[in-house]
Amino acid sequence: AQSVAQPEDQVNVAEGNPLTVKCTYSVSGNPYLFWYVQYPNRGLQFLLKYITGDNLVKGSYGFEAEFNKSQTSFHLKKPSALVSDSALYFCAVRESGANNLFFGTGTRLTVIP
Amino acid sequence: DADVTQTPRNRITKTGKRIMLECSQTKGHDRMYWYRQDPGLGLRLIYYSFDVKDINKGEISDGYSVSRQAQAKFSLSLESAIPNQTALYFCATSRAGNGYTFGSGTRLTVV
Repeated sequence: AQSVAQPEDQVNVAEGNPLTVKCTYSVSGNPYLFWYVQYPNRGLQFLLKYITGDNLVKGSYGFEAEFNKSQTSFHLKKPSALVSDSALYFCAVRESGANNLFFGTGTRLTVIP
Repeated sequence: DADVTQTPRNRITKTGKRIMLECSQTKGHDRMYWYRQDPGLGLRLIYYSFDVKDINKGEISDGYSVSRQAQAKFSLSLESAIPNQTALYFCATSRAGNGYTFGSGTRLTVV
C-alpha cells in the first residue's frame, strides 16, 4: 500500500531565509512523487514531480525537491522564501502501476516579513 | 476559461437533500477524479474514472455516487446529504502517468 507523511502541520520561516517542507513516503515499487501548492480559496496547483532521473528536481516559482531513495523522502526546498510563498503545500505519491495519487495531510507554510 | 471548471463554487444545503456537484474539463484528459478536503486530513479520494465506461470507488465512496456523462464531464452526487459531508470538494483530471490538474473547488455546507 502507498502512503505519504508530512510530519509538520505548520512551518514558519523568515522572508529571505531558506525553507524546507518535509515529505516521506512508502510504496511497494518505484515511486512517482509530486508537490502541489494551494493558495486560499483556490485549487491545488502543480509545483514539480519526480518520475525518474536526477534526484534533484526543479519546479515552478523557484522551488526544488530532492528525491532520497534510502530515506524515502522528497523534501521541498527553496533557497530564499518570499511572503507570497505562504500557502498550504501537499506532497503526493503514486507507485508505478497504481491508479491514482495518494496525498499527504498538508503543511501550512507561513513566511514572515 | 479554466481548464477544469467546477460548479457551484459554494453551496449550502439541508440534511437529507440530494445535491449534485459538476465538473467539466477542456484539457482532453481521459482520467477524472473527485476528492474531498477536510482540515488536517488532506485530500481523500471519493471516486475516479479512467474513461466514460469506467467508474471506480476511492477511499471514501460511501454516501456518494458519480456519473461520467462524457469524456469532459464528471459529476458527483450526494443522494441524501448529511452534515459530516460538509467539506471542500475538488475535481481533478490527468493523463496516464502525469500529475493532476485541479478545479477551484466547491465548498459544500450541509446544515
